[in-house]
Amino acid sequence: SQQGEEDPQALSIQEGENATMNCSYKTSINNLQWYRQNSGRGLVHLILIRSNEREKHSGRLRVTLDTSKKSSSLLITASRAADTASYFCALMYSGGGADGLTFGKGTHLIIQP
Amino acid sequence: NAGVTQTPKFQVLKTGQSMTLQCAQDMNHEYMSWYRQDPGMGLRLIHYSVGAGITDQGEVPNGYNVSRSTTEDFPLRLLSAAPSQTSVYFCASSYSAGRRNGYTFGSGTRLTVV
Repeated sequence: SQQGEEDPQALSIQEGENATMNCSYKTSINNLQWYRQNSGRGLVHLILIRSNEREKHSGRLRVTLDTSKKSSSLLITASRAADTASYFCALMYSGGGADGLTFGKGTHLIIQP
Repeated sequence: NAGVTQTPKFQVLKTGQSMTLQCAQDMNHEYMSWYRQDPGMGLRLIHYSVGAGITDQGEVPNGYNVSRSTTEDFPLRLLSAAPSQTSVYFCASSYSAGRRNGYTFGSGTRLTVV
């Protein structure tokens, strides 16, 4: 399965600003998920958005999905220092087998105090 | 609940040695998987299991073996360690292999092969 590609690879913003990162993919998906990884830790699941959904919210997180453009975005509003982490998109392909999710290489987000 | 527990957290091996990375989950998840994470490479799937007694290969299975004798445990064995296996290893579990729910990850094992 092909990876999703996150963009940008790295992002540095000031605390309080909004952070937006994107994920593009090439084949049809069943769902797309976003994960956060703090330095030296395991990944933590943030949001799952299904192919028939266009937008989902969770606290300060907003995820959009455009299946016609094969892309998704993760918006973090009012960023905090604790949001500093790497963010990964993960794809569940349509008709995907039991091998599960395919992860991208991530966006490294740094929140400057 | 403990979630997914990986041991050890750190390990240094000499080339040619073997070892087992342990992974246990207490959420009654049928699906479990092993990934390795290398700088600039993202997460790559090594092996996965859809239930006790059932395992299959992922993207990078060479040099690794797995077994799944119980729902809870999914150990990863390095048969003869090589420097190319220096990496951070993550175990993950899920109800549905990601079809309806997200994965729960362990905290990782950082392995260095010298």
